[in-house]
Amino acid sequence: DVVMTQSPLSLSVTLGQPASISCRSSQSLIHGDGNTYLSWFHQRPGQSPRRLIHKISNRDSGVPDRFSGSGSGTDFTLKISRVEAEDVGIYSCMQGRRWPYTFGQGTKLEIK
Amino acid sequence: QLVESGGGLVQPGGSLRLSCAASGFTFSTYWMSWVRQAPGKGLEWVANMKPDGGEIDYVDSVKGRFTISRDNAKNSLYLQMNSLRAGDTAVYYCARDSGERSVDVWGQGTTVTVSS
Repeated sequence: DVVMTQSPLSLSVTLGQPASISCRSSQSLIHGDGNTYLSWFHQRPGQSPRRLIHKISNRDSGVPDRFSGSGSGTDFTLKISRVEAEDVGIYSCMQGRRWPYTFGQGTKLEIK
Repeated sequence: QLVESGGGLVQPGGSLRLSCAASGFTFSTYWMSWVRQAPGKGLEWVANMKPDGGEIDYVDSVKGRFTISRDNAKNSLYLQMNSLRAGDTAVYYCARDSGERSVDVWGQGTTVTVSS
């Protein structure tokens, strides 16, 4: 299975400051069709996950532009340009390159 | 929208059948999945099913015990879970595969607890 490793596992950020989460895969996520199937999800306590970004950098509808995704191959990053209170929760990366699709352990973001 | 039902408390070795009712989109054209989250743990993709049911994938830990199925006429997805173990305790989410090997719509989840 493709192992997804996130760092850090927890993050304490002051409101208005940037945040960055790294995700590394044990194998390249570049599919034979040329796409890289790496997504990011956000989950607030007691809620279902919500997708923020797919295929490395494509923001989903309604996702604020302070969220951005980047990377290639095996190394990916989610950045929040200015953290807001509603951003607290757990962020998870996910690969769709190879079955079984797998998620990272999750990174818990809290406000300092 | 996806709405799950059927979760509950079951003894080890028992069975449960989860259901997911879909609305607001053309169910019969999407891959559908079950994803679970054990207490305090990360997300785990459990099973995946092609729109016509012609292709199914399972994570190794549930192969031979869980069966995913769908009824496109009823806009419904199911997960039959047999020989349940304590390790299957989790919130089970019904999820729509966006077509980009990812999930773009999640249900609210249904809780399965396997305990004696």
